[in-house]
Amino acid sequence: DIQMTQSPSSLSASVGDRVTITCQASQDISNYLNWYQQKPGKAPKLLIYDASNLETGVPSRFSGSGSGTDFTFTISSLQPEDIATYYCQQYDNLPRITFGQGTRLEIK
Amino acid sequence: QLQLQESGPGLVKPSETLSLTCTVSGGSISSSSYYWGWIRQPPGKGLEWIGSISYSGSTYYKPSLKSRVSISVDTSRNQFSLKLSSVTAADTAVYYCVRHFSSSSWFVFQRWGQGTLVTVSS
Repeated sequence: DIQMTQSPSSLSASVGDRVTITCQASQDISNYLNWYQQKPGKAPKLLIYDASNLETGVPSRFSGSGSGTDFTFTISSLQPEDIATYYCQQYDNLPRITFGQGTRLEIK
Repeated sequence: QLQLQESGPGLVKPSETLSLTCTVSGGSISSSSYYWGWIRQPPGKGLEWIGSISYSGSTYYKPSLKSRVSISVDTSRNQFSLKLSSVTAADTAVYYCVRHFSSSSWFVFQRWGQGTLVTVSS
């Protein structure tokens, strides 16, 4: 299976900060990489699909980039409501779809 | 507005079969544009895709679960279902039903149910 390694596993940042999370695939997955936000007790929510496409209705402070094995998820200006766990997910190797282990984001 | 709602027993005994149903409202499950799937999350842990099905019954399963998993679709009721056999405590999780596209941006899990906790215990 393709391993997805997210880093960091947790981070603390201040409101207004630029936040970056990375996801590294164990092999080339082209741009088949999605990002989700999960708030406590809630279902995950799609934010970014195919590495860099913003899902409809998602604020523009969220963005994604990358291709191949290295991907980046960025929040340009952290807001209090962005506190959540973020997951990457690859779908290059069907049906071996895998998620990263998650990054827990807290407010400093 | 499309909604997905999971239902089923919250407690299953070890070695028995876990059965869940997802009811789709605000849209038709018979659209050829979508697949319908299941994802689970053990308490305090990450996400695991289980499998997906099209309205016509084409399926994809996670290889490591394939021998125990069956997903079916009932277009007359606008529902799809998950069966997971021979469960153990390791199958305790919140189970989510999801919708994703059937082509281009395939396994992008665009819509999620609220999730239902299933505990495996005697």
